[in-house]
Amino acid sequence: EADIYQTPRYLVIGTGKKITLECSQTMGHDKMYWYQQDPGMELHLIHYSYGVNSTEKGDLSSESTVSRIRTEHFPLTLESARPSHTSQYLCASSEWTDRTVLHFGNGTRLTVT
Amino acid sequence: KQEVTQIPAALSVPEGENLVLNCSFTDSAIYNLQWFRQDPGKGLTSLLLIQSSQREQTSGRLNASLDKSSGRSTLYIAASQPGDSATYLCAVRNYGQNFVFGPGTRLSVLP
Repeated sequence: EADIYQTPRYLVIGTGKKITLECSQTMGHDKMYWYQQDPGMELHLIHYSYGVNSTEKGDLSSESTVSRIRTEHFPLTLESARPSHTSQYLCASSEWTDRTVLHFGNGTRLTVT
Repeated sequence: KQEVTQIPAALSVPEGENLVLNCSFTDSAIYNLQWFRQDPGKGLTSLLLIQSSQREQTSGRLNASLDKSSGRSTLYIAASQPGDSATYLCAVRNYGQNFVFGPGTRLSVLP
């Protein structure tokens, strides 16, 4: 079983608050990803990283930001949460080579009131 | 731009049936394709990864096939069980690109 952890599992927060969603993996994977998924809808890539100090924006425009200071850690930050940010956020990781499996965490379900 | 579709969107079958889930993609120059399972409110669990050079992969009651030229993959589930109820997603990776996900097939296996 993949060792990729996301915290918190659920978060309810008011509009305007700053939040950070945590993602850590213990597999030493170089590549890490953040996906956003609304209920019953497709996954959309919002950020990815190919290693330390590497971050890129994904296909879906997002007001969030990410950082990659350590290999194992890839946090996602929203400076000012809005109701439109209500969604499930999924973190994933994979080895450097594209031939390997993409592993997912259990996700953070965010509700902004 | 790669686009991935999955048919059917939802499927309900009695326990014990064999079933096939379909995944289609528009750009056949793929690197690999991965099938996932997602339980409600959870993350995705990897089921099978097929490289572009492979025709199929098997794991237990699951068999995934790949036909690059026609832009299709199928996931075959043998002797379905209620515990197989979940959403099944396929994701396609082109060379040098990130995975593109399909919308999923929601499967219900009735006892």
